[in-house]
Amino acid sequence: QQQVKQSPQSLIVQKGGISIINCAYENTAFDYFPWYQQFPGKGPALLIAIRPDVSEKKEGRFTISFNKSAKQFSLHIMDSQPGDSATYFCAASNATSGTYKYIFGTGTRLKVLA
Amino acid sequence: NAGVTQTPKFRVLKTGQSMTLLCAQDMNHEYMYWYRQDPGMGLRLIHYSVGEGTTAKGEVPDGYNVSRLKKQNFLLGLESAAPSQTSVYFCASSYRVHQPQHFGDGTRLSIL
Repeated sequence: QQQVKQSPQSLIVQKGGISIINCAYENTAFDYFPWYQQFPGKGPALLIAIRPDVSEKKEGRFTISFNKSAKQFSLHIMDSQPGDSATYFCAASNATSGTYKYIFGTGTRLKVLA
Repeated sequence: NAGVTQTPKFRVLKTGQSMTLLCAQDMNHEYMYWYRQDPGMGLRLIHYSVGEGTTAKGEVPDGYNVSRLKKQNFLLGLESAAPSQTSVYFCASSYRVHQPQHFGDGTRLSIL
């Protein structure tokens, strides 16, 4: 019940295309859903995050779509660029339970072709 | 503007050796975390701390110990290293719950 399932494992997109990464969870108590971007040799960095009281959040070319009833959320990267090539992790957490832990997905390796 | 600094960046150990990984943050964050990252398994929480002098177990705590004697430092210890502990270790910190976790650039540890 604590898992966050992420798909696909890897993704290849042409420059200018849309990259879509999906995550699903089971624990309805999760109340914070961040996405992290990681470049080789670096630590993950927060990209965008959403709470379940909204269905969509957009920051530049990055959008999170959230479907509370389906217990799914996804990251959309519009106009994908070669510089977006990285590994992306979704995560979920629940502060109200008194724990402070993120549960991370297994990651999606994105390659954007020039 | 250092953020989260991890020391060392690389280390090779022999089975049975011990070592300590150091994490230092200069953002006055209350919460600190140690993760390990393995291929196909994402980031898994080893231990975490919600303030100076406190520690708690995460998902995969066995074989590791931690200490948070100072607010800015979080140490991860391996008492008797095993090949299964070969991994990339990341430290992170956050101001409080639901604030972004800031990660260091990792320590690549190989146990032979």
